[in-house]
Amino acid sequence: IAGITQAPTSQILAAGRRMTLRCTQDMRHNAMYWYRQDLGLGLRLIHYSNTAGTTGKGEVPDGYSVSRANTDDFPLTLASAVPSQTSVYFCASSDSNGGAYNEQFFGPGTRLTVL
Amino acid sequence: GESVGLHLPTLSVQEGDNSIINCAYSNSASDYFIWYKQESGKGPQFIIDIRSNMDKRQGQRVTVLLNKTVKHLSLQIAATQPGDSAVYFCAETRTGGSYIPTFGRGTSLIVHP
Repeated sequence: IAGITQAPTSQILAAGRRMTLRCTQDMRHNAMYWYRQDLGLGLRLIHYSNTAGTTGKGEVPDGYSVSRANTDDFPLTLASAVPSQTSVYFCASSDSNGGAYNEQFFGPGTRLTVL
Repeated sequence: GESVGLHLPTLSVQEGDNSIINCAYSNSASDYFIWYKQESGKGPQFIIDIRSNMDKRQGQRVTVLLNKTVKHLSLQIAATQPGDSAVYFCAETRTGGSYIPTFGRGTSLIVHP
């Protein structure tokens, strides 16, 4: 693995179903993020994690949950999908380097359609 | 509330011209700014960054200017090429906080050959 990967690439999901989007990075970055991107709205932060074992809510956390059991993985779960969660989801990571913020590295995205 | 925004949602230029993409921010405490490029179907990619102790930073064909007095950030692309066609986002953050950047809506740059 080189960088940050996401799976699946795309998914069509029936409303009410549970879905987990996977994200893995091999850069040993301490911080990870999940964004959704909708046309005209840019990137909106769903959840984040500054370090393994901790998570925090972003701008649009409702309907989503995350966990950070280790440094490399940061899965995003939709407990009961709704059509408004149709979007492109991006995972990102960064090295906060003891307090100094550095740029984020983004994955290729997961295109999710909820019917 | 505090926000980061872009003045122009779409910018069309001819190949070879210079491009300027602008961004306004409202939080005077912001001290780190980043420009990202997003090509169609891909995730955003880092282009260049600048910290608040600088007012200009240059990269390969790109320059970022920071004017803290008017809270304005710009990205200049020299000799724009068709491969520069993408959506460009600015992001701002404040060190010492939770390190969460705020992204602007994005500007679509279209380069005509």
